[in-house]
Amino acid sequence: AQSVTQLGSHVSVSEGALVLLRCNYSSSVPPYLFWYVQYPNQGLQLLLKYTSAATLVKGINGFEAEFKKSETSFHLTKPSAHMSDAAEYFCAVSDRGITGGGNKLTFGTGTQLKVEL
Amino acid sequence: ETGVTQTPRHLVMGMTNKKSLKCEQHLGHNAMYWYKQSAKKPLELMFVYNFKEQTENNSVPSRFSPECPNSSHLFLHLHTLQPEDSALYLCASSQDIVSEQLGYEQYFGPGTRLTVT
Repeated sequence: AQSVTQLGSHVSVSEGALVLLRCNYSSSVPPYLFWYVQYPNQGLQLLLKYTSAATLVKGINGFEAEFKKSETSFHLTKPSAHMSDAAEYFCAVSDRGITGGGNKLTFGTGTQLKVEL
Repeated sequence: ETGVTQTPRHLVMGMTNKKSLKCEQHLGHNAMYWYKQSAKKPLELMFVYNFKEQTENNSVPSRFSPECPNSSHLFLHLHTLQPEDSALYLCASSQDIVSEQLGYEQYFGPGTRLTVT
């Protein structure tokens, strides 16, 4: 079974600083990997996804993530944080072998990003 | 309306009440999902429907009863809930996976904030 570990339930950065949110996965087969963002009182919005094309994936709002098989990681980065990036971020993994039953995602526990002036 | 909508956005109910949550997707998808999001816990997948057929029930108590009359609508009927059922209930949809080589992301609604008193 697949699983996701997000290191750090809370991350605080200064505006303009690098954002790095960590995600490690466990999967018995090559995975699909996703990052979602959740703003207060809203649902989850897809930031980016990895489906075995390029290992460096670019998403919305200037975020990107790199798939590293040797490290089983899919960390999310943004070169320069903005106040509007403050939100909760979720990493998720989906088994490539699931067919016919919808796309079953396993989520991490989330990382709350705080951006300070 | 676009995307995934959920009604009501907020619901307060007593333990003896019966209520229903509604989800509608306007994306032409064939798979729909119910998740429970509690504080400090990972998102919990509750139910999955694919082409109106239930394909996943993650040991959810029978006081939660899903209904999927068509691929665009999903309901969650609630009765005799417990205070620990208070949470954000999220609905999502995705294309069905007909090929295991495709990783379809899920699109989420804004959620229903449920409080059981």
